[in-house]
Amino acid sequence: GAGVSQSPSNKVTEKGKDVELRCDPISGHTALYWYRQSLGQGLEFLIYFQGNSAPDKSGLPSDRFSAERTGGSVSTLTIQRTQQEDSAVYLCASSPGVQNTEAFFGQGTRLTVV
Amino acid sequence: GENVEQHPSTLSVQEGDSAVIKCTYSDSASNYFPWYKQELGKRPQLIIDIRSNVGEKKDQRIAVTLNKTAKHFSLHITETQPEDSAVYFCAASISSNYQLIWGAGTKLIIKP
Repeated sequence: GAGVSQSPSNKVTEKGKDVELRCDPISGHTALYWYRQSLGQGLEFLIYFQGNSAPDKSGLPSDRFSAERTGGSVSTLTIQRTQQEDSAVYLCASSPGVQNTEAFFGQGTRLTVV
Repeated sequence: GENVEQHPSTLSVQEGDSAVIKCTYSDSASNYFPWYKQELGKRPQLIIDIRSNVGEKKDQRIAVTLNKTAKHFSLHITETQPEDSAVYFCAASISSNYQLIWGAGTKLIIKP
């Protein structure tokens, strides 16, 4: 695609439900990042993929959070048993995965847990 | 682990004045340093980047300087305008796997 695409753009869910957030990176980009951003705050790193493997998943806040990437392309971030503190914008970014290259961000998924 | 520190967290300058945001990094082998601008409600977008084989790079009103010995780099915006108001993020790439490590962001406010 022309850019990084995330879906849904908005998601409202009830506390305790599971949610899946999707990221379609730019075609050919091997590196993929997930971030969480609360209102007015910085980029909270969640996980980094190179291809299908995740060399750094140190940012996942709890075992309720998981992510996978298949075929070196689409990635899914899953949050189980959502809590109100999970409410935030979840941003995905991709890059070619080689030295000295720009990361491109998707428009984000705004998650609201009620 | 590797980290990037960014200062200040908030910067308020008069329109027309210059703004400087500074970042320090820990991985001495880092060699790529981008700066991103995030306007309210939008995604972060690259505004300028620098690689470790140069010390300074300019693009119109914005410039970035890099001091590899001291492990810090700075964003300079001259003749600030209202549309420069945004949050700015710096980042540095980890040499081992090219992962970008981000600063906490600087909210730049341009006062009319």
